[in-house]
Amino acid sequence: ETGVTQSPTHLIKTRGQQVTLRCSSQSGHNTVSWYQQALGQGPQFIFQYYREEENGRGNFPPRFSGLQFPNYSSELNVNALELDDSALYLCASSRPGQAGNEQFFGPGTRLTVL
Amino acid sequence: GENVEQHPSTLSVQEGDSAVIKCTYSDSASNYFPWYKQELGKGPQLIIDIRSNVGEKKDQRIAVTLNKTAKHFSLHITETQPEDSAVYFCAASITSGTYKYIFGTGTRLKVLA
Repeated sequence: ETGVTQSPTHLIKTRGQQVTLRCSSQSGHNTVSWYQQALGQGPQFIFQYYREEENGRGNFPPRFSGLQFPNYSSELNVNALELDDSALYLCASSRPGQAGNEQFFGPGTRLTVL
Repeated sequence: GENVEQHPSTLSVQEGDSAVIKCTYSDSASNYFPWYKQELGKGPQLIIDIRSNVGEKKDQRIAVTLNKTAKHFSLHITETQPEDSAVYFCAASITSGTYKYIFGTGTRLKVLA
């Protein structure tokens, strides 16, 4: 196991609702990255948080937002859910500069939007 | 834009045979290339990685090769076992600024007993 945990495991929402997903990073890691993995696809980078600030963003609209807390845990918030937001949401923790660039993934949150 | 192509999308091998998965990246600034194994219902698990200053790396039955000139890298699994069956993803990254990964589309490997 990677020591990265995510909650909840599964979530069902309806279109237009809002959702918050949570991630606890591996001990000693100060960076959290979020990815969206659609069925049968590779993970797509959403954004990254480093020391509580956004440190890069992929091609996702502003209704995808995040936070990182002083203990380096993180939240992903999605507003105005759309059907296409149905996916596995993965977070990965890392500590850039130490032991290279390895990112360690959590088990993911499966979001279904109806 | 940044892109990683991965082939094949599915691969079936007999137990004990070798499996090879190939990736091509577009961003010449990429300098870190991890490989992940994802089992059903789980998050991706890092199995091996390689940095751009190395041409080959091996860890027991798994090896990765990198050709920077051609922007190709490959995963080699020897003596495959049924527990190697999973989806494998390659990724490319730059170890500065935003440490984001650009993933390939995945290869579903089936090892037939």
